[in-house]
Amino acid sequence: NAGVTQTPKFQVLKTGQSMTLQCAQDMNHNSMYWYRQDPGMGLRLIYYSASEGTTDKGEVPNGYNVSRLNKREFSLRLESAAPSQTSVYFCASSEARGYYNEQFFGPGTRLTVL
Amino acid sequence: RKEVEQDPGPFNVPEGATVAFNCTYSNSASQSFFWYRQDCRKEPKLLMSVYSSGNEDGRFTAQLNRASQYISLLIRDSKLSDSATYLCVERGYQKVTFGTGTKLQVIP
Repeated sequence: NAGVTQTPKFQVLKTGQSMTLQCAQDMNHNSMYWYRQDPGMGLRLIYYSASEGTTDKGEVPNGYNVSRLNKREFSLRLESAAPSQTSVYFCASSEARGYYNEQFFGPGTRLTVL
Repeated sequence: RKEVEQDPGPFNVPEGATVAFNCTYSNSASQSFFWYRQDCRKEPKLLMSVYSSGNEDGRFTAQLNRASQYISLLIRDSKLSDSATYLCVERGYQKVTFGTGTKLQVIP
């Protein structure tokens, strides 16, 4: 039982390049999330998927797209990377988007955009 | 005012000490609260939920004060392994907000 896995762990991009961050969970959770974490800013929600087949914008969606490929997988795509997207990206999942449902986080992807 | 505010610390405390953190929130309609723990360069992990009646888990006690709009985390008998950043999380309608975290360093 691996929980939430993310690939890659590290990535360096040049401005304008594109890439997809992969996330998978094996806990049969309905809801999945993408966050970014920046110093002094806390975790900020980029996009979430309440259930398979649905996605919604979070607090900071500009410059990103997502795909809920199936119940297990939720990917985050940067179409044209910018230095402002340098951050640590965390994927998370929870059983449902209920008020007391724990979110389980993946190990993170450290992205640098030059 | 930030939606969720925490003192960034660091709080440097000796082993065995008791330490408390507060977290203030601005949304009076917030539904639920949590404390997460994040080790250096690792992902956040749930430490405990914060119920209206308060809750205790071993050396950890969490309390909610809705009148003054803050939650607290008390750690008794601090261990070296408690060194981490503690994130306050507030869940409102359709939104979850993370604090920036309070760093705790337990010193031998």
